Amino acid sequence: AQRVTQPEKLLSVFKGAPVELKCNYSYSGSPELFWYVQYSRQRLQLLLRHISRESIKGFTADLNKGETSFHLKKPFAQEEDSAMYYCALSSGGYNKLIFGAGTRLAVHP
Amino acid sequence: NAGVTQTPKFRILKIGQSMTLQCTQDMNHNYMYWYRQDPGMGLKLIYYSVGAGITDKGEVPNGYNVSRSTTEDFPLRLELAAPSQTSVYFCASSYSQSYEQYFGPGTRLTVT
Repeated sequence: AQRVTQPEKLLSVFKGAPVELKCNYSYSGSPELFWYVQYSRQRLQLLLRHISRESIKGFTADLNKGETSFHLKKPFAQEEDSAMYYCALSSGGYNKLIFGAGTRLAVHP
Repeated sequence: NAGVTQTPKFRILKIGQSMTLQCTQDMNHNYMYWYRQDPGMGLKLIYYSVGAGITDKGEVPNGYNVSRSTTEDFPLRLELAAPSQTSVYFCASSYSQSYEQYFGPGTRLTVT
């Protein structure tokens, strides 16, 4: 079955600390993975996708097919990074997304 | 551009009532989607459309219907509301395969 797992509901760190939000997936095929973010009182929006291999707002994510993971990392967290983060897998064509349950990142001063 | 707009923002329905959730996008996107999000869970796909006149079921279509008569609009219909349909509903659109999905602000629906 196709599935996305985000094992942490809440990740709480201090400003300047490294951050890693975990995402594991189950998919029989070549996966296309995304991180979406929802800041307080804003809409869900794309943060980054694995095919672009870019860094957005200091965040990076590497697809590890051997471990079926797509963890999101940032070396130095900022307070403005506090948000809800969702890992998503594009499944079966037509850009249909399967979402994980999300991880709330709280960055404290 | 307004992007993806959804109405209403909030709604309370009684069991057995019907309603339509409206979704409009002004980006001329071909693909549109309806998701629901239950508390503590990820978004789940209800229905999607790849163009006017073309719709298909997602993961959780039971109890819902959709239509796509224009590129801009993709309404979601609940015919006989049930408490299990209490959720936050998100509409999204994208230009095509592998493109970013743009989300609406969501509609919070409670069925009592």
